Amino acid sequence: SQKIEQNSEALNIQEGKTATLTCNYTNYSPAYLQWYRQDPGRGPVFLLLIRENEKEKRKERLKVTFDTTLKQSLFHITASQPADSATYLCALPWGNYQLIWGAGTKLIIKP
Amino acid sequence: GAGVSQSPSNKVTEKGKDVELRCDPISGHTALYWYRQSLGQGLEFLIYFQGNSAPDKSGLPSDRFSAERTGGSVSTLTIQRTQQEDSAVYLCASTLGLPGLAGYEQYFGPGTRLTVT
Repeated sequence: SQKIEQNSEALNIQEGKTATLTCNYTNYSPAYLQWYRQDPGRGPVFLLLIRENEKEKRKERLKVTFDTTLKQSLFHITASQPADSATYLCALPWGNYQLIWGAGTKLIIKP
Repeated sequence: GAGVSQSPSNKVTEKGKDVELRCDPISGHTALYWYRQSLGQGLEFLIYFQGNSAPDKSGLPSDRFSAERTGGSVSTLTIQRTQQEDSAVYLCASTLGLPGLAGYEQYFGPGTRLTVT
C-alpha cells in the first residue's frame, strides 16, 4: 500500500537559517504533492502545490522541490523566523477525491 | 469571507455516550471531508461528501460512526457509544473541487477536540 513518511522528530533551527523538511513516499506515482502548515489547536492551512512535471516551486521564502525518481519532496524555508514554527504536513492525491497525509514534522525556530 | 467553522471546539464525554460534531463549510464549496487526527499521526480520512452524490463512507472506523450533510451544506458527524479510543481531534475540510488531478486545496476548520473519559 502507499505510504508517506515525514521526519517524526522535531526540527530545531536557528533563526535566519534555512529549514529543510522532507516528505518521502513509496509504492506510488502522484500527479502532485501539497504542503500544509498546522499551528497548535488549528486546522492545516494550504501553502504550496507542486506537480510531477515541476522540479521546483517558490512562494516568497518558501521553496518546494519534487523528485519523482527519489519519490521525495523537500520543503525549504529560507531566512527562517520564530513565526515559522509550526507543524508542516505533506499530502498526496489518492484517486479522484482523496488526499493521503504524512504525520507532519514539527519545526521550531529559535531566536 | 467566512472560513470553515466547527462546533464545539472541545467536547468531553463519558464512555458510552453519543456525541454530535458539526461542520459549516465555506459557502459554494461542493466537497466536504471529515478527518480524525490523533497525536503524532497523519490525518485519517473518515468520510467524503460531494454535492448530491452518495457519500464515501469507506474511512469510517466502525458502525458507531455516521455522518450526514443536509442541503449540501452543514454536516454532522455522530459517534454513538463513544469509546476511549475515539479521543482525537476531528477536522472538517471543504474544497471548491475534487483534488483529483486538479489539486484543489482543502480548507480546514479549527477542529473539535474530543475526549472520552
